Amino acid sequence: DVKVTQSSRYLVKRTGEKVFLECVQDMDHENMFWYRQDPGLGLRLIYFSYDVKMKEKGDIPEGYSVSREKKERFSLILESASTNQTSMYLCASSLATHQETQYFGPGTRLLVL
Amino acid sequence: QKEVEQNSGPLSVPEGAIASLNCTYSDRGSQSFFWYRQYSGKSPELIMFIYSNGDKEDGRFTAQLNKASQYVSLLIRDSQPSDSATYLCAAPMDSNYQLIWGAGTKLIIKP
Repeated sequence: DVKVTQSSRYLVKRTGEKVFLECVQDMDHENMFWYRQDPGLGLRLIYFSYDVKMKEKGDIPEGYSVSREKKERFSLILESASTNQTSMYLCASSLATHQETQYFGPGTRLLVL
Repeated sequence: QKEVEQNSGPLSVPEGAIASLNCTYSDRGSQSFFWYRQYSGKSPELIMFIYSNGDKEDGRFTAQLNKASQYVSLLIRDSQPSDSATYLCAAPMDSNYQLIWGAGTKLIIKP
């Protein structure tokens, strides 16, 4: 079974703090994704990575950065958290073939005060 | 730009009835679709993947793809309260590994 884990289920941070969200997958998947999900807005792609040290911007990269130093780990960084980044953050991974299923982690619910 | 559209609902269905969820898409070239289920507060999980015209069945779930009309459906037979969730439709993008997601339909099964 594919397993995608995220470092925290719930996180509370203050405005201006630097926030790290980590995602680890154990299935040797090439692709990893970070989404945020807000009520009424669906899943929105922040960044994705198709290989170690490779990344591409998604639909809403502003205010975020990512790091992929190892194949199994993909980190999302909020350089200076703001209240409008309060959201559910979901990590996913998939194999590097077209039409491959994305497998999701449990999500991190982030509250920025 | 490719789009995938779903009615946000909620769609209310009596227990034991057939729930029918629909998804339309803008790109005639789309070849395949995913259906994910997402319980409240949880992450999406894959239910079905369909890549050819016609029906694909898995237990109580049937996915239907109609390329001529550009829609894909998910039917849930003998609906159970545990089927209450948001159902997301997604299509692969042509150029990379991303998926284009619908906004999801909230399904409520009433006992």
